[in-house]
Amino acid sequence: DTGVSQDPRHKITKRGQNVTFRCDPISEHNRLYWYRQTLGQGPEFLTYFQNEAQLEKSRLLSDRFSAERPKGSFSTLEIQRTEQGDSAMYLCASSFYGTGDERETQYFGPGTRLLVL
Amino acid sequence: GENVEQHPSTLSVQEGDSAVIKCTYSDSASNYFPWYKQELGKRPQLIIDIRSNVGEKKDQRIAVTLNKTAKHFSLHITETQPEDSAVYFCAASMETDKLIFGTGTRLQVFP
Repeated sequence: DTGVSQDPRHKITKRGQNVTFRCDPISEHNRLYWYRQTLGQGPEFLTYFQNEAQLEKSRLLSDRFSAERPKGSFSTLEIQRTEQGDSAMYLCASSFYGTGDERETQYFGPGTRLLVL
Repeated sequence: GENVEQHPSTLSVQEGDSAVIKCTYSDSASNYFPWYKQELGKRPQLIIDIRSNVGEKKDQRIAVTLNKTAKHFSLHITETQPEDSAVYFCAASMETDKLIFGTGTRLQVFP
C-alpha cells in the first residue's frame, strides 16, 4: 500500500496521560500536514512540515502539542497531559511541493481516533 | 485569516437528480480549491480541485465552478447515485498549502 498510513487507528487514554501518534506519508512526498477533525466538522489545520522543517503551527496547537519529522520521512504528534477536549480524529496528509500542477494535492491518511476519558 | 463557509449542511436528492454545494471564501489570495468526499469512518478523499486561473473543471459526473470576483465556488454532481452519499468538504488554500475547510455537507441520495 503506497498511501498515507497512521498508527494507531484508535487510542483510548485517561485524562492527564501522554499519547503519541505516527504518520507515514507517501514516500516521495516532501510535505506532511496534521489536522484535527471533531464530529460534524471539517478538518482543522494544526501544523505542517516541508522535509524536516516545521514551517507553520496553528494557534490551535497549544504547548501540550508537539510534532516532529526528524528525518523528513515519518512524523509524530505528541499530546502531553491530555484533556477531554483533545478527543477527536487526528488526520495526517502529505503532498509533493514542487513546480508542477500536482504540487498542492493533499492525500489523507485514515486518521487516529483519540478518546480521552 | 481565511474563512470558508459551506452550504447547505444537509442535502437530500432522488437518485438521478443533480446536487449542488456552494462555498465562499474570505481571502482573495486563495488560489487552490479542492473538494473532498468523506464516507463514515473513512479518510477524506479528493474528488476534484480547481485553481484560480480556471473558471470551471469537469470530471465525468462532477464539476466545479469558481467565481473569483464573488469569492465563491461550487460543486455540481449530476445523475446522482446512492454511492454518492457521503459528507463533502470544500477547502481553500494559498501558496502555503495549508487547507482551510468548510463545515461539510451531508449528501443523501435516495434510490
